[in-house]
Amino acid sequence: ELKVEQNPLFLSMQEGKNYTIYCNYSTTSDRLYWYRQDPGKSLESLFVLLSNGAVKQEGRLMASLDTKARLSTLHITAAVHDLSATYFCAVPAPYGGATNKLIFGTGTLLAVQP
Amino acid sequence: KAGVTQTPRYLIKTRGQQVTLSCSPISGHRSVSWYQQTPGQGLQFLFEYFSETQRNKGNFPGRFSGRQFSNSRSEMNVSTLELGDSALYLCASRFTAGTVFTDTQYFGPGTRLTVL
Repeated sequence: ELKVEQNPLFLSMQEGKNYTIYCNYSTTSDRLYWYRQDPGKSLESLFVLLSNGAVKQEGRLMASLDTKARLSTLHITAAVHDLSATYFCAVPAPYGGATNKLIFGTGTLLAVQP
Repeated sequence: KAGVTQTPRYLIKTRGQQVTLSCSPISGHRSVSWYQQTPGQGLQFLFEYFSETQRNKGNFPGRFSGRQFSNSRSEMNVSTLELGDSALYLCASRFTAGTVFTDTQYFGPGTRLTVL
C-alpha cells in the first residue's frame, strides 16, 4: 500500500530564512504533486513533477523530484508571511491506467513569523 | 474560465440523515473526483468518475456513493450520517482529451459538512 510521508509536520520560520519540506513515498511513482491550502480554503496546485530529476520553481518556492530515492523536496527561499499555509505533497495511487486517485501526505503547516 | 464549483458550501445535518453534495467541474473537464478531508485522517480519496462511469473507489463504506451526469456534473451522497462523517468534502476536476488525462487536478472550494 502506498504511503506518503512529509516532514516536518509543523514548521515555524522567520521571514527571510530558507527551509526545506521533505516528502517520501513508499512505492514507485514517476510523478508527484505539491498543493497549498490556506486555512478554510481549498487546495491550490503549486507544482506537477513528471519525471526523475524534475525541478520547478515559482517565486520563492522550488520543488524537485528524485524517483530513485522516492523523495521530493519543496524548498522555500527567503520566506515571507504570505507563504504561511499548509503544504501537501501527493502521489498517484498505483493503478492500471490513468487515475485521479492521489495519496496525500499529512501536510506541513508552515508559519512564517515577522 | 470559472473554476470548480461546489454546493452547498456549508451544511449541518443530524445523525441518521442523508446528504447530497454537488460539484460542477471546470468547463470541458470530464473527469471528476471526490476527497474527504478531516483533521484525523487527512485527505482521503472517495471516488472518481469519467464519462458517467465510476473508475476508482476509495476505502469508504457503502453509505458513500456518487454519480456523474452527462454534463459532467457530479453528486455524492452519504446516507445514514455518522458523527465521523463531519469533514470538508472536496471535488476536483481534470481535463481529458479522448482517453488522455492531463496531470493537474483542480479543486473546488469544498463543502463543509457538520453532523450533530
